[in-house]
Amino acid sequence: DIVMTQSPDSLAVSLGERATINCKSSQSVLYSSNSKHYLAWYQQKPGQPPKLLIYWASTRESGVPDRFSGSGSGTDFTLTISSLQAEDVAVYYCQQYYTTLMWTFGQGTKVEIK
Amino acid sequence: EVQLVESGGGLVQPGESLRLSCAASGFTFSSYAIIWVRQAPGKGLEWVSSISGSVDTTYYADSVKGRFTIFRDNSKNTVYLQMNSLRAEDTAVYYCVKASGAWFWGQGTLVTVSS
Repeated sequence: DIVMTQSPDSLAVSLGERATINCKSSQSVLYSSNSKHYLAWYQQKPGQPPKLLIYWASTRESGVPDRFSGSGSGTDFTLTISSLQAEDVAVYYCQQYYTTLMWTFGQGTKVEIK
Repeated sequence: EVQLVESGGGLVQPGESLRLSCAASGFTFSSYAIIWVRQAPGKGLEWVSSISGSVDTTYYADSVKGRFTIFRDNSKNTVYLQMNSLRAEDTAVYYCVKASGAWFWGQGTLVTVSS
């Protein structure tokens, strides 16, 4: 099984400042045949299902503000919120979909306002 | 418009059974894989089970293997999760997810296993 580990577990950032969340997979999620990283990022607010932000490690889902960006390769990935807004307070999860239909998620990172 | 509506959750005692349903609309249901993901109260997301679109291949997390069964009825555009021998640790919100093509999550249904 591919284990996904996020860091930190929580972080507090001032409004307008940058927030950075890291995600490490226990093995590469790069599919060599198409050179794509099978890595996604979600945002979840209380009482709501997760909302897809990023897929293929760096492709922003339609409608997601451009202050959200994903980067990384191999086994190390990052979600960056370039200028934190109040509505970004949430829990963020990374997820691998390299193993077909057997997804695994990171433990989540809680983002709060400092 | 894609819709996924979960139902069948509720309060059951340990050892009992429950069947969850995920009713789909807005897409060609039989062609798409469906995944169940659960979230225990205050905890993270856990993949539970999946069923492929065309050939009905099924997959299970080790935590539910042998107790849960996923199956689909394409005539009803519905995927089911039959949950037997339920345990307290199965208490969670269960989400179904359209997991191929454009992903889409339902709103979830709460399962509580408690005596």
